[in-house]
Amino acid sequence: DAGVTQSPTHLIKTRGQQVTLRCSPKSGHDTVSWYQQALGQGPQFIFQYYEEEERQRGNFPDRFSGHQFPNYSSELNVNALLLGDSALYLCASSLGGEVSNQPQHFGDGTRLSIL
Amino acid sequence: GEDVEQSLFLSVREGDSSVINCTYTDSSSTYLYWYKQEPGAGLQLLTYIFSNMDMKQDQRLTVLLNKKDKHLSLRIADTQTGDSAIYFCAEKESSSSASKIIFGSGTRLSIRP
Repeated sequence: DAGVTQSPTHLIKTRGQQVTLRCSPKSGHDTVSWYQQALGQGPQFIFQYYEEEERQRGNFPDRFSGHQFPNYSSELNVNALLLGDSALYLCASSLGGEVSNQPQHFGDGTRLSIL
Repeated sequence: GEDVEQSLFLSVREGDSSVINCTYTDSSSTYLYWYKQEPGAGLQLLTYIFSNMDMKQDQRLTVLLNKKDKHLSLRIADTQTGDSAIYFCAEKESSSSASKIIFGSGTRLSIRP
């Protein structure tokens, strides 16, 4: 039973570039949430996708956008990259959308470095 | 807004019990979680407790919840070197219907021989 998988594992970009990160949820899960974890900090919620729509958004600018596909996988896009976007980006999946009390399961993340 | 606070470091001797503490501000939180993060890895869900419970035990792990004081603790019995990691306390936000989770900054647990 595959858990949450994310790709790529590491990525290096320069300021001003754009990046796309990918996530496949745990088998049977239909909800994907994205988090940003800066070094030495806890994860910060970016947004959540359910039924191919953004259901809730954290305090992140519009440069951060996402998408969910019919197979429940998801992408996180970040435009006009800044040095401060360097972080571990974590994807979490769960079942039942925004009203669910099911726990979220995390992938191993994508380490994004901005030069 | 909601906030979760934890101490940054904890050092225990191998074989002793570890107790990691956490305080939160949202008195309406429905679920509280403990996640473990090893170096270079994502977050592993260790255990979670519903807000109408006081205690939950799962093998070496015991979670205690004091709703009055908004205090959550994780006790790891017979701590082993493999328990070295960062432990995150988290709460499910109750101000909306979404399952947004708010994390503390993590407690780094180190094990002394």
